[in-house]
Amino acid sequence: AQSVTQLDSQVPVFEEAPVELRCNYSSSVSVYLFWYVQYPNQGLQLLLKYLSGSTLVKGINGFEAEFNKSQTSFHLRKPSVHISDTAEYFCAVSVRAQKLVFGQGTRLTINP
Amino acid sequence: NAGVMQNPRHLVRRRGQEARLRCSPMKGHSHVYWYRQLPEEGLKFMVYLQKENIIDESGMPKERFSAEFPKEGPSILRIQQVVRGDSAAYFCASSPPVNRGAEQYFGPGTRLTVT
Repeated sequence: AQSVTQLDSQVPVFEEAPVELRCNYSSSVSVYLFWYVQYPNQGLQLLLKYLSGSTLVKGINGFEAEFNKSQTSFHLRKPSVHISDTAEYFCAVSVRAQKLVFGQGTRLTINP
Repeated sequence: NAGVMQNPRHLVRRRGQEARLRCSPMKGHSHVYWYRQLPEEGLKFMVYLQKENIIDESGMPKERFSAEFPKEGPSILRIQQVVRGDSAAYFCASSPPVNRGAEQYFGPGTRLTVT
């Protein structure tokens, strides 16, 4: 079975500061890795994904993530955040492109 | 190209009533997934369906919950005799028949409130 741990339930940062949201996973088989964003009262939107190849993945809205197999991590980063980045962020894994297993979520709050 | 559609967006039911949640996948998608998001929690997988087949229902509660995806029409998640603990946001996602990108596309969700 797979599991995902998002190490921070809430992350407050100031506007234009860098941010890192941490994600660790556990799996005995190879997985695909995803970051999704959820704005209030909306569905989930894919930010980026890692399937194979380069371990540094770039996504939408200036986000990127790095897959680290030895540390079983897939941390999300952005060099400079904007007020509009305020949302809940979910890390997820899947095996063979089937069901997604999600972390608990990290609430990112941007302060002016 | 319309995205995944779910209706209703909000549903209020009294304890003991039935709730029916509908999901229309994106055009060309034949795989549907249902997830539940309880307050202050992440999303939990419930069921994975293809047209007329349940592929994986390992996340479905054993009683009162059922799901279908008929040959024609939307996928339906049915909850019988709802209880307060069923109050949650229910999300549907869809993917194409050959999903090389492994991506699932999510609908806006149905927020069920049981009074």
